[in-house]
Amino acid sequence: AQKVTQAQTEISVVEKEDVTLDCVYETRDTTYYLFWYKQPPSGELVFLIRRNSFDEQNEISGRYSWNFQKSTSSFNFTITASQVVDSAVYFCALSVVLTGGGNKLTFGTGTQLKVEL
Amino acid sequence: DTGVSQDPRHKITKRGQNVTFRCDPISEHNRLYWYRQTLGQGPEFLTYFQNEAQLEKSRLLSDRFSAERPKGSFSTLEIQRTEQGDSAMYLCASSFGINSPLHFGNGTRLTVT
Repeated sequence: AQKVTQAQTEISVVEKEDVTLDCVYETRDTTYYLFWYKQPPSGELVFLIRRNSFDEQNEISGRYSWNFQKSTSSFNFTITASQVVDSAVYFCALSVVLTGGGNKLTFGTGTQLKVEL
Repeated sequence: DTGVSQDPRHKITKRGQNVTFRCDPISEHNRLYWYRQTLGQGPEFLTYFQNEAQLEKSRLLSDRFSAERPKGSFSTLEIQRTEQGDSAMYLCASSFGINSPLHFGNGTRLTVT
């Protein structure tokens, strides 16, 4: 069975602080994909990153960076120099490949990030 | 590039009534998904289409739920004899290509009174 744990329910930081959102996953599959999505107050889930299980290289995109460690089954997300616009709920998700090549995502419960001035 | 479109945005209905939601995926996307999200939780998978074929259904999808994608383009999700426990945000997503990221719509918020 697939499981994603985001232990941090809510994090509050002051603007310009760095913040790390934790994600721990469980799977028996050797091939899988991990995702991060952002859900602002408007409600739409916005795709941020996809990582496959064979690629453990860390990735940086602007102020965002991701640390994938297979040994600890973790896929953590860091925002550097946070901004008020980063305030949202962030979801980590684990995928299983479906018949026909689709993805069935198992989401964590999300981390509410509040960035204050 | 228009995103995934869902209609209506909000629906309030009385218990026992039937409701139908519509999803228009990104035009070139051949895969379409329905998810349900309750307050404080992550989205949960309901069902998946590749073109017009429904290839996977979650056990969460009771007999009162039915989804269709008749021509492989838009999809509808119908809930019959709604119950208060059906109150949730219903999210539609689409993708193209194997293991591609899912692109989500804004969702339809259902409230059953």
